[in-house]
Amino acid sequence: QKEVEQNSGPLSVPEGAIASLNCTYSDRGSQSFFWYRQYSGKSPELIMFIYSNGDKEDGRFTAQLNKASQYVSLLIRDSQPSDSATYLCAVNGDSNYQLIWGAGTKLIIKP
Amino acid sequence: NAGVTQTPKFQVLKTGQSMTLQCAQDMNHNSMYWYRQDPGMGLRLIYYSASEGTTDKGEVPNGYNVSRLNKREFSLRLESAAPSQTSVYFCASRDVLSYNSPLHFGNGTRLTVT
Repeated sequence: QKEVEQNSGPLSVPEGAIASLNCTYSDRGSQSFFWYRQYSGKSPELIMFIYSNGDKEDGRFTAQLNKASQYVSLLIRDSQPSDSATYLCAVNGDSNYQLIWGAGTKLIIKP
Repeated sequence: NAGVTQTPKFQVLKTGQSMTLQCAQDMNHNSMYWYRQDPGMGLRLIYYSASEGTTDKGEVPNGYNVSRLNKREFSLRLESAAPSQTSVYFCASRDVLSYNSPLHFGNGTRLTVT
């Protein structure tokens, strides 16, 4: 059974600090990794995807992938109260048709 | 550009009743999906359709049926609702010709079965 693990949180971070969210996965063959943000009562929306080892930056967001250690991280710089949400990690499964999801980490940014 | 549209947004059913959740996408995506989301359990795949004319079971298919009506539309049917099916249901679509293409979600249907 392929799995994706996330700490459920909540993770509480002061406004302006860096929030660090982590995700580990079990399938060494996984190639594509996605971070989604979900506000309470809303649907998930894509923030970042990454498929190469190393870092990928987009504005205040940085995704980090380490395939050898089988983890992917999301860093949020200069955290804002509007970043408070649940962050879901997803990994490509056996085929492009399926994604395997973590249960999500709830992030709270304290003003 | 509406993206993925789901109806209804809310529904209350009594045990044993049936209903169909409707989903349509206007992004010309080949693949469509139905997920349910329960507190603390993340998204679980119910059924998916890799392309028009095909459907496959996901992680939790029991109690559900699906129909891929055409490329745009993918419906989910509960034949005899049970309280365990109380959940939030999301339809999604994806262009799987690109391996890094994301899922696009509808706004969800909040279903309560009493």
